[in-house]
Amino acid sequence: QVPLVESGGGVVQPGKSLRLSCAASGFNFSDYGMHWVRQAPGKGLEWVAVIWYDGSNKYYADSVKGRFTVSRDNSKNTLYLQMNSLRAEDTAVYYCAAGSYYFGYWGQGTLVTVSS
Amino acid sequence: DPVVTQSPDSLAVSLGERATINCKSNQSLFYSSNNKNYLAWYQQKPGQPPKMLIYWASTRQSGVPDRFSGSGSGTDFTLTISSLQAEDVAVYYCQQYYRSYTFGQGTKLEIK
Repeated sequence: QVPLVESGGGVVQPGKSLRLSCAASGFNFSDYGMHWVRQAPGKGLEWVAVIWYDGSNKYYADSVKGRFTVSRDNSKNTLYLQMNSLRAEDTAVYYCAAGSYYFGYWGQGTLVTVSS
Repeated sequence: DPVVTQSPDSLAVSLGERATINCKSNQSLFYSSNNKNYLAWYQQKPGQPPKMLIYWASTRQSGVPDRFSGSGSGTDFTLTISSLQAEDVAVYYCQQYYRSYTFGQGTKLEIK
């Protein structure tokens, strides 16, 4: 059973918005900090955002600060990433990952392509 | 935030031989209050998400073969594969979680 499943990726024009979701199962979602990590085609891993287990704190990479918003609904075991003002350089596979420090669980990823 | 740099960028090792990947931080990742180094190692095979191998610099994740080991403290860390198997071909990343989160650039491991 895959513990994390992302959805919501697709092709979007520059300047537009997209919302990603990550559904969790098989572990106690509300006990874990949750992250978004992205990987541009052929590139390495880039941490994007974290939200604490209870949603009380959120932190972002400088590259997305002010444009992306992370949120969670513990009653639905779901993590979200609202992405606004998308740019070509946001094109990547977006992974959700669970862990307050290291990332013990990862989803399979969802591809976001920003192109006109 | 700490910057972690891996070496080498790529590595070719014969089956059954030892593979060593290094990760260097520009600031200490050791937190003296709990005696822990805030560093993890991940393996990513083509078309797959990363998989955590090692956390707290040297603690092996459950289910990870014991040929994988992590060592080091402070600013210098090493991932060692004691006897390379064909299924170990992958890109390996170190990650610091001492302050925010940053990954190394990755090391591509291939069979010689």
